[in-house]
Order: sequence, then C-alpha cells, then structure tokens
Amino acid sequence: SQTIHQWPATLVQPVGSPLSLECTVEGTSNPNLYWYRQAAGRGLQLLFYSVGIGQISSEVPQNLSASRPQDRQFILSSKKLLLSDSGFYLCAWGQSYSNQPQHFGDGTRLSIL
Amino acid sequence: DAKTTQPTSMDCAEGRAANLPCNHSTISGNEYVYWYRQIHSQGPQYIIHGLKNNETNEMASLIITEDRKSSTLILPHATLRDTAVYYCIVRVSGGYNKLIFGAGTRLAVHP
Repeated sequence: SQTIHQWPATLVQPVGSPLSLECTVEGTSNPNLYWYRQAAGRGLQLLFYSVGIGQISSEVPQNLSASRPQDRQFILSSKKLLLSDSGFYLCAWGQSYSNQPQHFGDGTRLSIL
Repeated sequence: DAKTTQPTSMDCAEGRAANLPCNHSTISGNEYVYWYRQIHSQGPQYIIHGLKNNETNEMASLIITEDRKSSTLILPHATLRDTAVYYCIVRVSGGYNKLIFGAGTRLAVHP
C-alpha cells in the first residue's frame, strides 16, 4: 500500500533562517505531489504541485520554493523565513488523469519566532 | 472547478446519523464530488467520492441528487472521534487533479 511521510512534525525557526521540509511517498510510481499550507484558523491553500522530477508549478507568489529531485521526493524550501510563513504544511500525493483521491501526510507545524 | 457551499457548523448527538450537506449548483458533467475531513492538528483524511451514483464505504455514504447540484455525506452512527472539519470539494477528473479547499463544516459530536 502507499504511504506518505513528512518530517519534521514540528519546527521552530527564527525569522531570516532557512527552511527545508521533506516529503516522501512509498508504494507508487510517478505520483503527482502537492504542498499545501494552512494558516492558523484558516483553510488549506495549495502552494506547489509537481507532475514529475524537476517539474514544479507554483500556485501563489511567496517566499517559498519547491523541488523534486527524485520521483517520490518533494522538498519545500526557503532561504529566509518570514513571520508570515508560520503555519501547518501538508504534503499530498495523487495521480494525474485519474479520479482517485489525493492522500495527505501528517503535516509539519512551523512556528517562526 | 465548481465552487461548493457548506454550512459553517453542525452538531450531532453521539450514536445518531450525521448528515452533512453540500451545494455545488455549478457542477459540470465530468466533475466528481470528494469529501475529506480534518481532525484538529492532523492532515486531511479522504472519506469518499462520487460522480452521480450514491456511494458507500466503511466510513460513510455519499448521496448525490439526480441533478448533481447538491450532495449529502452521511456518517451513520457518529462517534466523538468524528468531530472534525468536513470538506466537500468538486474536482474535474483529469489534468493535475488539484484540490481547492473551502472553509468546510465544523461538525461537533456530543455525548
């Protein structure tokens, strides 16, 4: 069966520091991968998605970037964190051209001080 | 993708059926209805999806009206662990299958 892993579960970072969050998927090949963010008390917002290695699409302009160095690995990064980058970051996987649902990881709660 | 409208919050007594409505009056013929839920501080959990026929799985039933403009998620015997925010999402089958989340319905199950 397919599984998705995100780490770390929680992270506290100072303003201006770099960020790297990692997501990996097991049990499937060539998945679509997605990064979402949920600010406190708000809904989920799609940040990036990827349909293949090295292919990244950004949904909203922001201080973050994403990369996909391997088929089942998706990384969310920032060079300098802002206070507004605080939130709950979720990775998900799915398949293109399919009605099968996306499945989400357990998320990373990021606090910026 | 079509937009959805859900009530902001609902209450349900433990052991009773929870019926969560969703309006998607602008849905088009190739769009599916998906339901997810998010328990506090966890990632969204997939519940069920359907196109036009009613669907049932071990978690819930999905009833879609004949004109497909609305649907209802039914949790047949709600428990305290079903307290969560429930999201109804309409998505085209095809393309990159992005999900657009609304505010959802906050379901509170009480003893």
